[in-house]
Amino acid sequence: EIVLTQSPGTLSLSPGERATLSCRASQSVSSNYLAWYQQKPGQAPRLLIYGASSRATGIPDRFSGSGSGTDFTLTISRLEPEDFALYYCQQYGSSLYTFGQGTKLEIK
Amino acid sequence: EVQLVESGGGLIQPGGSLRLSCAASGFTVISNYMSWVRQAPGKGLEWVSVIYSAGSPHYADSVKGRFIISTDNSKNTLYLQMNSLRGEDTAVYYCARGFPHFYWGQGTLVTVSS
Repeated sequence: EIVLTQSPGTLSLSPGERATLSCRASQSVSSNYLAWYQQKPGQAPRLLIYGASSRATGIPDRFSGSGSGTDFTLTISRLEPEDFALYYCQQYGSSLYTFGQGTKLEIK
Repeated sequence: EVQLVESGGGLIQPGGSLRLSCAASGFTVISNYMSWVRQAPGKGLEWVSVIYSAGSPHYADSVKGRFIISTDNSKNTLYLQMNSLRGEDTAVYYCARGFPHFYWGQGTLVTVSS
């Protein structure tokens, strides 16, 4: 089973700032099958990024994903008030998909 | 329009069984990767199982041997049969479509408690 470790656990920033979230895998993620999700309280998760760097439909271009192998990054270029939420990475390159433990992005 | 609607959650005693349903519309389940993901209260997301018509289903180690994922093509519905339930199975259970999960249902709460 591939273990995903997200850092930091909590990120405190202000609107307009740049956010950088990290996801590290315990072994190489096949075909860079790495996704990022956003979740707000009481809501289902929403897919942001798939294939490490492709934005899902309707996702603003301030969200970008990068990385390969074992190290991946989600960047939000300029934070909007609605971006403060929980973020999870997920690998789906092995038969057992796994999620990271999440990063909470909170308003400073 | 793609829609996923889960049902079947509720309160169940430890050791009991429950079957969750996920009614799909706007696409056919048999032609898609369909998954179950759960989230214990106040905790993160945990992938549970995936099924795709072209291959065998897969399960997280935490549920393997106890849970069974299946589809009913005539009803265009995804199921999760959950047996030998434990307290740690308490969670909101989401069904999701795609590889990865492009579409999600709203979730159904399963509470395992005596």
